[in-house]
Parts: sequence; structure tokens; C-alpha cells
Amino acid sequence: QKEVEQNSGPLSVPEGAIASLNCTYSDRGSQSFFWYRQYSGKSPELIMSIYSNGDKEDGRFTAQLNKASQYVSLLIRDSQPSDSATYLCAVNSRSQGAQKLVFGQGTRLTINP
Amino acid sequence: DAGVIQSPRHEVTEMGQEVTLRCKPISGHDYLFWYRQTMMRGLELLIYFNNNVPIDDSGMPEDRFSAKMPNASFSTLKIQPSEPRDSAVYFCASSLGPGGPPYGYTFGSGTRLTVV
Repeated sequence: QKEVEQNSGPLSVPEGAIASLNCTYSDRGSQSFFWYRQYSGKSPELIMSIYSNGDKEDGRFTAQLNKASQYVSLLIRDSQPSDSATYLCAVNSRSQGAQKLVFGQGTRLTINP
Repeated sequence: DAGVIQSPRHEVTEMGQEVTLRCKPISGHDYLFWYRQTMMRGLELLIYFNNNVPIDDSGMPEDRFSAKMPNASFSTLKIQPSEPRDSAVYFCASSLGPGGPPYGYTFGSGTRLTVV
């Protein structure tokens, strides 16, 4: 089982709709969860972080965390063509005393005008 | 701040040659990470440093790969000898913390390595 799993997509959403991206993780001790956006040919860019169960909103983005289900999601409201990118879920994991971020494979999102 | 700076942006080399990738982290960031990204395997952590000391190198694929951080503002990732399967985008990232709350990582622009 992969440590962090995402549906690779592609996920296609019409402009103005809500895009929903999902991620599951295997380490029950994880405490920090991040969403990165990566445009084609560019580096990952941090867009959201969440540490507590529930929802965290930032503009059009909402991150949701459910530690009991080991599930984290990202909602993008009023989707715009500029939101078309690959979204990477990252989860902190502790192994042999060292802590690090483990990334999922990413979900490719396309917003159709 | 200029962000995390990597060089070169692109590198094409022949199999068997030595390749050196360079990274300058954000000033004040105590953690530096080297990642490799491919279509098949996604973003993989190779090694990370805390205060210039290697903490976790379990992701380094084999002895052909080595990384150093001689001071707080410079790190190198070396591949010797290089092989075609090393072709990937190599990212350097830096952070105030290893991944626990509340720190995320800031990535450099990456080095696209092609080994022919």
C-alpha cells in the first residue's frame, strides 16, 4: 500500500463548478497535511495546509481533514481555467526518528471553459 | 527573497558521465530536501539535511548518488556515473521545519536531467 494515494485523473470539471480532489494516507501518526499545485513544467507550489479535523477555508479553496478515516480533500469553488494543473497531496510521516513529507502521485485537473 | 535557487535548469549528458546539481536554499531555512520527479514514480524524497547534517538518506537509490551540504547556503547532488534511468526532474526544497506543523516546503525551479 502506498503511503499517500490519490486518483491520478484526469479530472475534468466545467468552469464555475466545484472541483473535488481526494487523498488517503496510511500513517495514523501523521499530523500535517498539505496541498500543492503544480503547473506543467513548473515546480510544486504550496496552496493549503491543514492540521486539525474539519474544514479550513482560504478564498476559493477549502481543505477538509478526517483523521479517523485517514482522508484529506481539497475543494475548489468557482473553478477557473487557471486552476488547471496537477494537485499533489503531501502528508508528514515519521520513520526511524526522522520526519518528512511524503507526496501522492498527484491528480491532474482540467477546467473546461 | 529570491526563493530556492537551483542550477542548471537543464542538463543533457552522456551515460557514464558525472553530473552535479546545485541548490541554494532560502536564507534562514534549516532544512533542505532533494526530490526526484518522474511520471512513473511521482515525487520521491532522496535525502534531506538539517543544519547541514544529513538526516535521512533512505531514498538515495544507490551508491552512484551522493549529496553534500558544506554550508547553510549551498548543497550539491552528484550522480557518478550517470545512467539513462536517472533522467528525471530533480527538485531542491527548503523549509523551517521537517514537515511537522506548521511548515510546508518551498521548492526550487528544478533541474531537468536527460542522460543519453
